[in-house]
Amino acid sequence: DAGITQSPRYKITETGRQVTLMCHQTWSHSYMFWYRQDLGHGLRLIYYSAAADITDKGEVPDGYVVSRSKTENFPLTLESATRSQTSVYFCASSASGVENEQFFGPGTRLTVL
Amino acid sequence: KNQVEQSPQSLIILEGKNCTLQCNYTVSPFSNLRWYKQDTGRGPVSLTIMTFSENTKSNGRYTATLDADTKQSSLHITASQLSDSASYICVVSKSYGNNRLAFGKGNQVVVIP
Repeated sequence: DAGITQSPRYKITETGRQVTLMCHQTWSHSYMFWYRQDLGHGLRLIYYSAAADITDKGEVPDGYVVSRSKTENFPLTLESATRSQTSVYFCASSASGVENEQFFGPGTRLTVL
Repeated sequence: KNQVEQSPQSLIILEGKNCTLQCNYTVSPFSNLRWYKQDTGRGPVSLTIMTFSENTKSNGRYTATLDADTKQSSLHITASQLSDSASYICVVSKSYGNNRLAFGKGNQVVVIP
C-alpha cells in the first residue's frame, strides 16, 4: 500500500533541459496537486487537477506543464528548466475538493545548474 | 501581502514544555482552516481541520483554536516531545473563487532535551 509516491526523489539538471517529475497515487483520489516549497515562501501551488483530463493553474504555473491522462498519475514537466526552478516539489492528492485534507508525497528535490 | 501570517517564525522549547503557535488570516470568504505538520525532509501531514462553527479541536497533544471573528487561529502543543520538532503550516481555504488555498510560511519548532 504505497499511497502517494514521487520519482525521482533527487534530480540535478542543467539550465534549458526538459525535466519531468512523476507522481503516482493508489487511492483513486479525484484531486491531485503540485507544489513547490522554497525557503521564505512556504508551499506554493503550481497546478492542480480535479479529475483525469481536467487541470487548472495555481499560484505559480509559469514554466510548468502538467497532464493527467489517468486518475492515478499526475506528471509535472519543466519544459526548459531555469535556475529559479531549483526547489523541493511536492505532489499531493485529496479525495474531493481543494479544501479537503491533502495527502502529500515525500517530495522531489530538484537542482538546476 | 500574505493572506496567512504565522508567528513566531521559529522557536526553541525545552522538552516537556508547552508552546502556542499563531496564525492570522485575511482569507474571505472563509471555508476552513487546517494545520499541517511537516517533519524535515518529508511532506506535510494534516493535524486538525476547523470550520467556521468550531472553536477548539484536539488531536492528542495538539489543540487548535479558531476565532473566526478576529480571523485568528492557534495551535497549542502540550508537554512537547522531541518528535514535535517540525514546521507547522497553517492553511486557510476559501469557499469559492480562484486560488482557494492560502498557505502560511510555517512555524519552525525545535524541541531540545
